[in-house]
Amino acid sequence: DQQVKQNSPSLSVQEGRISILNCDYTNSMFDYFLWYKKYPAEGPTFLISISSIKDKNEDGRFTVFLNKSAKHLSLHIVPSQPGDSAVYFCAASIREYGNKLVFGAGTILRVKS
Amino acid sequence: ETGVTQTPRHLVMGMTNKKSLKCEQHLGHNAMYWYKQSAKKPLELMFVYNFKEQTENNSVPSRFSPECPNSSHLFLHLHTLQPEDSALYLCASSRQSGGNIQYFGAGTRLSVL
Repeated sequence: DQQVKQNSPSLSVQEGRISILNCDYTNSMFDYFLWYKKYPAEGPTFLISISSIKDKNEDGRFTVFLNKSAKHLSLHIVPSQPGDSAVYFCAASIREYGNKLVFGAGTILRVKS
Repeated sequence: ETGVTQTPRHLVMGMTNKKSLKCEQHLGHNAMYWYKQSAKKPLELMFVYNFKEQTENNSVPSRFSPECPNSSHLFLHLHTLQPEDSALYLCASSRQSGGNIQYFGAGTRLSVL
């Protein structure tokens, strides 16, 4: 049973527009969430995170929103750039239980110029 | 130089071979991880080491044998693998346990014939 789900395998967005990547989770004990970006032939790189005590975290063009009641988080990229084209993974953890991250299957983002 | 280095980048082996994957981190972290990523599936956590001690074995078959001689190095010894073990194997490290950010290597693409 997948505890972290990214239901959209791919997303295509025009350069300059907003990209919205979604992630749902089932375990209400998750209290820390992360987004990673992965280019081909490279490992995942950390992008942004959010603790369950917040509902929004912003870093430049990237904003993560957390809706605990809906067990849903999303990553907004504004404005989208061609260099943002990559696979985006959502991950969740329970801090009390140590350093296990549970990942979603990823969403391929293509930003068209 | 990248923070987490994995070698080799690609490996092809037969089912009767014995090979090892190597991971080295230059970030001063004390936790290291092995993940498996099969096509179109989420990253699956295999093993976790904290301060050289194994703290997590996620029901991994014994044909995968990890070794952590020090906090900077992690190995994954492979023997009598099956074709379904073909996947991308990723190493990661983090500063400490409890939801901290994990930094990934580029991975080893393994093909078992």
